[in-house]
Amino acid sequence: GNSVTQMEGPVTLSEEAFLTINCTYTATGYPSLFWYVQYPGEGLQLLLKATKADDKGSNKGFEATYRKETTSFHLEKGSVQVSDSAVYFCAPKRGQFYFGTGTSLTVIP
Amino acid sequence: NAGVTQTPKFQVLKTGQSMTLQCAQDMNHEYMSWYRQDPGMGLRLIHYSVGAGITDQGEVPNGYNVSRSTTEDFPLRLLSAAPSQTSVYFCASKRETDTQYFGPGTRLTVL
Repeated sequence: GNSVTQMEGPVTLSEEAFLTINCTYTATGYPSLFWYVQYPGEGLQLLLKATKADDKGSNKGFEATYRKETTSFHLEKGSVQVSDSAVYFCAPKRGQFYFGTGTSLTVIP
Repeated sequence: NAGVTQTPKFQVLKTGQSMTLQCAQDMNHEYMSWYRQDPGMGLRLIHYSVGAGITDQGEVPNGYNVSRSTTEDFPLRLLSAAPSQTSVYFCASKRETDTQYFGPGTRLTVL
């Protein structure tokens, strides 16, 4: 079946630190891969996506590369800001979306 | 475009009461979905619809009903609320192969 495993949080980083949030998935075939972000009190928003192997999605300084060989889609950012504090969801899509449990990130000044 | 809108934003119910969570989108999307978000469990799909007049069950459909009489609206009905249905509910919509857009959520507490 289809499932996704995300790095457990919460994660607390200092401003300008490097961020990695791991995501691995199991799926039949080749899903499209998404990262969504949820800011406090809001709904989920698309952060970035990749639709085929070796594609790199990027947005707002975040990046993730579709790794077919390791079935992973790890989220990275070189220098986090306080405004990046949010919950991040990895979501493969094969027909339907399958959401990870979310990783809460807090960035402190 | 307003995108995906949900009402109400907050609701408190007593066990056994019924209510309808409203969801509307103005993007002419075929697909609409309802999710619930619970701590440590991510988002779980309740029901979804691939077009007007067509609905199907997701991962956790028990205790919920939906209908899709128009492309724009996709209400979620709780017929007899239970404390286990305390959650944050998100409606989402998309075109068939496109990105999913989420509403702002409804926070429901069942006492």
